[in-house]
Amino acid sequence: AQSVTQLDSQVPVFEEAPVELRCNYSSSVSVYLFWYVQYPNQGLQLLLKYLSGSTLVKGINGFEAEFNKSQTSFHLRKPSVHISDTAEYFCAVSDGTGANTLFFGTGTRLTVIP
Amino acid sequence: SQTIHQWPATLVQPVGSPLSLECTVEGTSNPNLYWYRQAAGRGLQLLFYSVGIGQISSEVPQNLSASRPQDRQFILSSKKLLLSDSGFYLCAGATGITSGNTIYFGEGSWLTVV
Repeated sequence: AQSVTQLDSQVPVFEEAPVELRCNYSSSVSVYLFWYVQYPNQGLQLLLKYLSGSTLVKGINGFEAEFNKSQTSFHLRKPSVHISDTAEYFCAVSDGTGANTLFFGTGTRLTVIP
Repeated sequence: SQTIHQWPATLVQPVGSPLSLECTVEGTSNPNLYWYRQAAGRGLQLLFYSVGIGQISSEVPQNLSASRPQDRQFILSSKKLLLSDSGFYLCAGATGITSGNTIYFGEGSWLTVV
């Protein structure tokens, strides 16, 4: 079975400061990991995904994430945040089957303080 | 890339009334389709997924049902709504059955049961 734990429900950070949003997963099959962002009252938009290869994955809007198999983590980072990064961020793991279903964490609300 | 359309965007329904949320997909054929629910302050819960016309899998027992009458159409229904059915419903789709394919989300439908 697959599951995702996002350890921080809320993360406040000052504008232009770095941020790390934590994600840990458990999976009994090959791991495919994703980060999505949700702006207020909108659907989810893919930030980045890890399927295989390099453990450092770069995504849109300056975000990146590092897959760490030994620590079963996939933390999301950005070196300098903007006000526009204020949103809900979801980590997800694929079940690795043909149904390709995603299992999400409970989300982390990032608030960028001016 | 594919585009997910879902409607209505917002609705308020009395307890015991029926529900129908519709989702259509553009830009791909034979997609995997999904319905997720996002309750206030919680993560995303997978409700149903479909790998083809007439093929529906339910992830959790509930007051809801889903149908896929056409390749790119996915409908979420209820015969009698409960207060606990309130939430933000998201339709999603993915091309093909390869694990790790990006899942695209619609803009969501806010349901308030009163």
